[in-house]
Amino acid sequence: NAGVTQTPKFQVLKTGQSMTLQCAQDMNHEYMSWYRQDPGMGLRLIHYSVGAGITDQGEVPNGYNVSRSTTEDFPLRLLSAAPSQTSVYFCASSLTSGGAPLDTQYFGPGTRLTVL
Amino acid sequence: QKEVEQDPGPLSVPEGAIVSLNCTYSNSAFQYFMWYRQYSRKGPELLMYTYSSGNKEDGRFTAQVDKSSKYISLFIRDSQPSDSATYLCATARTGANSKLTFGKGITLSVRP
Repeated sequence: NAGVTQTPKFQVLKTGQSMTLQCAQDMNHEYMSWYRQDPGMGLRLIHYSVGAGITDQGEVPNGYNVSRSTTEDFPLRLLSAAPSQTSVYFCASSLTSGGAPLDTQYFGPGTRLTVL
Repeated sequence: QKEVEQDPGPLSVPEGAIVSLNCTYSNSAFQYFMWYRQYSRKGPELLMYTYSSGNKEDGRFTAQVDKSSKYISLFIRDSQPSDSATYLCATARTGANSKLTFGKGITLSVRP
């Protein structure tokens, strides 16, 4: 199993550009989520999905879109990049959701995004 | 007030020291308590979890939850340089679609 994979590892954008961060998992997990991690802020939930075709907003959804057409993939789209979106983005997946042993979240290696 | 507060650190200790990492939470509905470890430039990985109150031990690591005071602790005995990482506490309610709430994380450095 490759686990959770994310591409690209690094990205530099100019203000106003759009891009898609890719996330894929091969563990047949239903629950997938996107977090951003900023110094002094911890991990904050952007969007999550409880299964193919179902997505919902997290704590900081503005400026981001998601879709879940397959169980494996959960891309995150930045519509019009802003310097405030400079961050490290992590995708995570788990068998279901919550904090039980079956719900252990597996994190990808992250994408470091800089918006100039 | 954030739902989960964590000592900001950073924390530097000599090899072999006992390390105590702490979090407090405000929502009494939280039932699951987790500690994640994150090495530099890597994604977090689950280190330990506990359900409700009590202690859980795994090798040199002990997780402790005191629901009466809403206090979460992680103890590391005989700390090693390989324990140098950022440690994040996290909590969750029971029930479907319960989301994790993370603390800000504390960076630990164990000096050889």
